[in-house]
Amino acid sequence: DIQMTQSPSSLSASVGDRVTITCRASQNIGTYLNWYQQKPGKAPKLLIYFASSLQSGVPSWFSGSGSGTDFTLTISSLQPEDFATYYCQQGYTTPYTFGQGTKVEFK
Amino acid sequence: QVTLKESGPVLVKPTETLTLTCTISGFSLSKARVGVSWIRQPPGKALEWLAHIFSSDEKSYRTSLKSRLTISEDTSKRQVVLTMTNMDPVDTATYYCARIVGRDQFDSWGQGTLVTVSS
Repeated sequence: DIQMTQSPSSLSASVGDRVTITCRASQNIGTYLNWYQQKPGKAPKLLIYFASSLQSGVPSWFSGSGSGTDFTLTISSLQPEDFATYYCQQGYTTPYTFGQGTKVEFK
Repeated sequence: QVTLKESGPVLVKPTETLTLTCTISGFSLSKARVGVSWIRQPPGKALEWLAHIFSSDEKSYRTSLKSRLTISEDTSKRQVVLTMTNMDPVDTATYYCARIVGRDQFDSWGQGTLVTVSS
């Protein structure tokens, strides 16, 4: 199975900060990498698919980049509603796998 | 509008079989490369993909649970059913169904259903 490793596991940030979360795959997955946001008690929400494509309705301050094994989710200016946990997921092959999550907390 | 809704027992006993149903609306599994996955999340932990099904009858399962899982589709009822045998307390989790599209991303999710395994 492909292992997905996110870093950091958590971070503290303030409104307006630029936030970067990284995700590393244990093997080359091309650009078959997706990002989700999850708030407490809610289902995850798709933010970015195919490494850099913004899902419809997702604010433009979210962006994704990367290919191969190394990927990045960037929030260019953190908003109050962005405090949540973020997960990466590889769609390259089954079994699909998720990262362990990155919790973005208020500083 | 695409919707998915999970249903099933909230409490099961160890060794019992869990049956969960995902009722879909607003889309069809007969479309190419559109499917449904089951994903779970133990309390306070990360997401775990369990299984998927596509209309072509393509099915796939989580490696570590393959022997315990079965996914099936009831087209007439617009439902996708997941069964998991020999339940254990470590299987306590919120179980989600989600639509899978395109480049194998989950673009729509159900609200989730919490299943507790306890005697």
